[in-house]
Amino acid sequence: DAKTTQPPSMDCAEGRAANLPCNHSTISGNEYVYWYRQIHSQGPQYIIHGLKNNETNEMASLIITEDRKSSTLILPHATLRDTAVYYCIVRRGAENDYKLSFGAGTTVTVRA
Amino acid sequence: DVKVTQSSRYLVKRTGEKVFLECVQDMDHENMFWYRQDPGLGLRLIYFSYDVKMKEKGDIPEGYSVSREKKERFSLILESASTNQTSMYLCASSYYNEQFFGPGTRLTVL
Repeated sequence: DAKTTQPPSMDCAEGRAANLPCNHSTISGNEYVYWYRQIHSQGPQYIIHGLKNNETNEMASLIITEDRKSSTLILPHATLRDTAVYYCIVRRGAENDYKLSFGAGTTVTVRA
Repeated sequence: DVKVTQSSRYLVKRTGEKVFLECVQDMDHENMFWYRQDPGLGLRLIYFSYDVKMKEKGDIPEGYSVSREKKERFSLILESASTNQTSMYLCASSYYNEQFFGPGTRLTVL
């Protein structure tokens, strides 16, 4: 699976959009981009995933560049409860291959 | 809602003890996973299972074994616990794209 690079930390003001970057320059054609987050003392939580089109759900939006070498997770209106470690993961979409490799992630702190 | 439960939130064991960590999911998922999480190392996959009685090694299987006798239950076994197995252990299950995690068990081996 392709490796990802994320900034170690970032701050965000409550109510503003949080834009979390992720580089995955070695991504291959059959690999998906996944985002998870882990709030303190809890297990990781799935946020969103995509292949090449931009995706949006009730939690966030995922913007993938045309060359697929990077992506941005957008939390449209950050709240204090969005303070967490955010993981960008690239995974093959092969059937019966659901392993995830978590890196260090980005620690996001939302400030009032 | 999918629910993944783990038998204990906190566990303290002594070196050399046999330790069982239990994980149960209620959504009839085929796939189940065991990870450990350590500061600075992120989550690392220990073992996973795609079906009952089926298991595959993850990235760090040494010192661990697993058991999956029923679809809903996936057990992680430390045959002889050692201090370097002190960690947070996380269980997950998945059907396809999304993994659902339990709350974790913080194991301390003295």
